[in-house]
Amino acid sequence: NAGVTQTPKFRVLKTGQSMTLLCAQDMNHEYMYWYRQDPGMGLRLIHYSVGEGTTAKGEVPDGYNVSRLKKQNFLLGLESAAPSQTSVYFCASRWTGNNEQFFGPGTRLTVL
Amino acid sequence: EDQVTQSPEALRLQEGESSSLNCSYTVSGLRGLFWYRQDPGKGPEFLFTLYSAGEEKEKERLKATLTKKESFLHITAPKPEDSATYLCAVQAVSGGGADGLTFGKGTHLIIQP
Repeated sequence: NAGVTQTPKFRVLKTGQSMTLLCAQDMNHEYMYWYRQDPGMGLRLIHYSVGEGTTAKGEVPDGYNVSRLKKQNFLLGLESAAPSQTSVYFCASRWTGNNEQFFGPGTRLTVL
Repeated sequence: EDQVTQSPEALRLQEGESSSLNCSYTVSGLRGLFWYRQDPGKGPEFLFTLYSAGEEKEKERLKATLTKKESFLHITAPKPEDSATYLCAVQAVSGGGADGLTFGKGTHLIIQP
């Protein structure tokens, strides 16, 4: 049981490049979340999903898109990366009847 | 707007020196308050969920309490392995339970041998 996994662990992009971050969970959780964590700030919610085929905006959605084509996967896309998107990205998931969110190990993204 | 404020930002203790971390929150209606532990380079690890004022939960040397305006994480006789950043987060009733958590900035705790 791997829990929540994230791919890749590290990535460096140039301004304007695109990429996709993958989150996978093997716990059959309905809800999945993407957060970003920046120095001196708390974790902030980017987008979330309440089930396969559904997504919704969080606190800081601009510049990101997401997709949940399969229940176990939640993808975060950056179409045109900007230096302001340099951050550590965390994925989380949880069951419908339990508020505890399980977090992945994070992806450290640097945009030059 | 939901807000979470944690204090102090950083705390250095000697091994065995007990203390408390504070989490003050403002939320339209509290669905739950969460404590997480985060080690450097890793994702947050769940510790506790508190749902109503007066509730308390314990795990080893940690005890979390909740009032209507704040939560405390009490650390009794800490050990060096308790060194980490402790995060507090709230979930509001207004989100219907589906939306995410609002996090504080965390308290960076260092326990010196």
